[in-house]
Amino acid sequence: AQSVTQPDIHITVSEGASLELRCNYSYGATPYLFWYVQSPGQGLQLLLKYFSGDTLVQGIKGFEAEFKRSQSSFNLRKPSVHWSDAAEYFCAVGNQFYFGTGTSLTVIP
Amino acid sequence: DAMVIQNPRYQVTQFGKPVTLSCSQTLNHNVMYWYQQKSSQAPKLLFHYYDKDFNNEADTPDNFQSRRPNTSFCFLDIRSPGLGDAAMYLCATSRDRVGGGYTFGSGTRLTVV
Repeated sequence: AQSVTQPDIHITVSEGASLELRCNYSYGATPYLFWYVQSPGQGLQLLLKYFSGDTLVQGIKGFEAEFKRSQSSFNLRKPSVHWSDAAEYFCAVGNQFYFGTGTSLTVIP
Repeated sequence: DAMVIQNPRYQVTQFGKPVTLSCSQTLNHNVMYWYQQKSSQAPKLLFHYYDKDFNNEADTPDNFQSRRPNTSFCFLDIRSPGLGDAAMYLCATSRDRVGGGYTFGSGTRLTVV
């Protein structure tokens, strides 16, 4: 069965600091992997996706993610966080999107 | 711009009174999805249409139905809303079921009174 785990419910970082959001998945084959961002009261916006090929994926808004098959992980990173990055982040896997429970990001000045 | 539009953004309905949520897309995508997202939870897939082919998730309550009269529109019908159905309802589209880019609408927040 497909599943996604986001171990961190909430993360607080200072503006300008680096960020890493964790995502672990369970899937029987090479998965399709996605990261989405959701601002309060809004729909989900795709940040980046991995299907195959280069395991380091670049996305919008300066985000990147690395697929590590050996660790069943697809962690999201950003080298320098901006206050506008405060939002809910969801990792998703598979053809029809099994979502993790999300990580809420707070950015402090 | 091509997009996914959900109407209304906010919907208030009475307990037990049927309600319909609307989703339209200008992307000409084959697949349309409906998700339910309760507060502080992940979106949960209710069902999807691949063209006219309806696919229901096994744990979607019978109270939830959907219609897709054409490629552009998809509706979510809640026959008898309960208090537990209050949630954000998200519509999404994709060109195909496998991989691809999913485009989400801004959602409809449903309140049941």
